[in-house]
Amino acid sequence: NAGVTQTPKFRILKIGQSMTLQCTQDMNHNYMYWYRQDPGMGLKLIYYSVGAGITDKGEVPNGYNVSRSTTEDFPLRLELAAPSQTSVYFCASSYSAGGGDEQFFGPGTRLTVL
Amino acid sequence: QKEVEQNSGPLSVPEGAIASLNCTYSDRVSQSFFWYRQYSGKSPELIMSIYSNGDKEDGRFTAQLNKASQYVSLLIRDSQPSDSATYLCAVNSHSGAGSYQLTFGKGTKLSVIP
Repeated sequence: NAGVTQTPKFRILKIGQSMTLQCTQDMNHNYMYWYRQDPGMGLKLIYYSVGAGITDKGEVPNGYNVSRSTTEDFPLRLELAAPSQTSVYFCASSYSAGGGDEQFFGPGTRLTVL
Repeated sequence: QKEVEQNSGPLSVPEGAIASLNCTYSDRVSQSFFWYRQYSGKSPELIMSIYSNGDKEDGRFTAQLNKASQYVSLLIRDSQPSDSATYLCAVNSHSGAGSYQLTFGKGTKLSVIP
């Protein structure tokens, strides 16, 4: 089991460029999440998905889009990159969202927008 | 707005001492509470979960929960230099439509001095 994998590990974007952060999990988890973490801050939820074809906004969704066409994949799209989107992005998954289900995190993508 | 508050630290303790990490939360109906450890440049990993009032012990780690005071803590006994990391408190609360979300604190940075 690879768990949760993310690509790329690092990326530098120019203002206005677009990119997709990839996330794949092989644990057959229904729930997947995208977080961002700014220096010295906790994790902020961007978007989450409760299953293929179903997504919803988290706390900080502006400037991002997601899709969930399969159970395994949950890509995050940045359409017009802005310096405020410089952050570390973590993808996570869990079997369910209720109760005490652990969220498993990917290794993260460090994004810089210049 | 659901909030989770932690002292940012840094908290410095000598090797072998007890490290005490504290967390308060705002959502009175929260049911599940987690402590994640995050090494510098790495992704968070779950170390403890607790759902009922009282203490829960796992090796050198003890989680304590007091729902009436909306307070959760983590004690690390016999602290080791390898425990040096940022500890994130996370609270699972209902977000409507049958789904739950984790709200993270900003984390407490722990340094264990040899």
